[in-house]
Amino acid sequence: DSGVTQTPKHLITATGQRVTLRCSPRSGDLSVYWYQQSLDQGLQFLIQYYNGEERAKGNILERFSAQQFPDLHSELNLSSLELGDSALYFCASSEHSGDNSPLHFGNGTRLTVT
Amino acid sequence: AQSVAQPEDQVNVAEGNPLTVKCTYSVSGNPYLFWYVQYPNRGLQFLLKYITGDNLVKGSYGFEAEFNKSQTSFHLKKPSALVSDSALYFCAVRDAISGSARQLTFGSGTQLTVLP
Repeated sequence: DSGVTQTPKHLITATGQRVTLRCSPRSGDLSVYWYQQSLDQGLQFLIQYYNGEERAKGNILERFSAQQFPDLHSELNLSSLELGDSALYFCASSEHSGDNSPLHFGNGTRLTVT
Repeated sequence: AQSVAQPEDQVNVAEGNPLTVKCTYSVSGNPYLFWYVQYPNRGLQFLLKYITGDNLVKGSYGFEAEFNKSQTSFHLKKPSALVSDSALYFCAVRDAISGSARQLTFGSGTQLTVLP
């Protein structure tokens, strides 16, 4: 068990809808990362937060947004959903930012857009 | 820019035989290299990392990896494979140069199947 909790495990929704994915990082970790895993594009970095502040942005669409709250949990908001957004969304956490401490991944949220 | 390649989508090996999962990388400066493993319906788990120092890095579950700067490779190895090692393996790299992207870039993954 990595200590990173993601909810929900599965999400099925229709095109055009909006969903929120939630992540609780491992105790003591200040950094939260969001990744998207799909068959055609592999594991893509979306965004990172450190202690409530956005630290780095990757291949995140404008329809997607995230935030990290004072209690360090994070939410990823996906709006105007398209079929191509169907994927596994992972949250990971680490103690610091920009160093080489390992990332600890949650078990992911599987999003299916129909 | 940083990139990583895992040239084999699939590796099959018999139980008890040595295994190798290949990884090559490209960075501007010095690399920080990582291996992660993913079991079905689970998130990635950290196996080992190379930052500096000894080129042979030992990690979890008996895995090790050898950093080869001249060949820009970081192959994952295990002397004797177990059926329970069957999983999806990811290599990842980050460029150590200040100002470069600090995020890990992951390879496309290699599915390892250990046959009983």
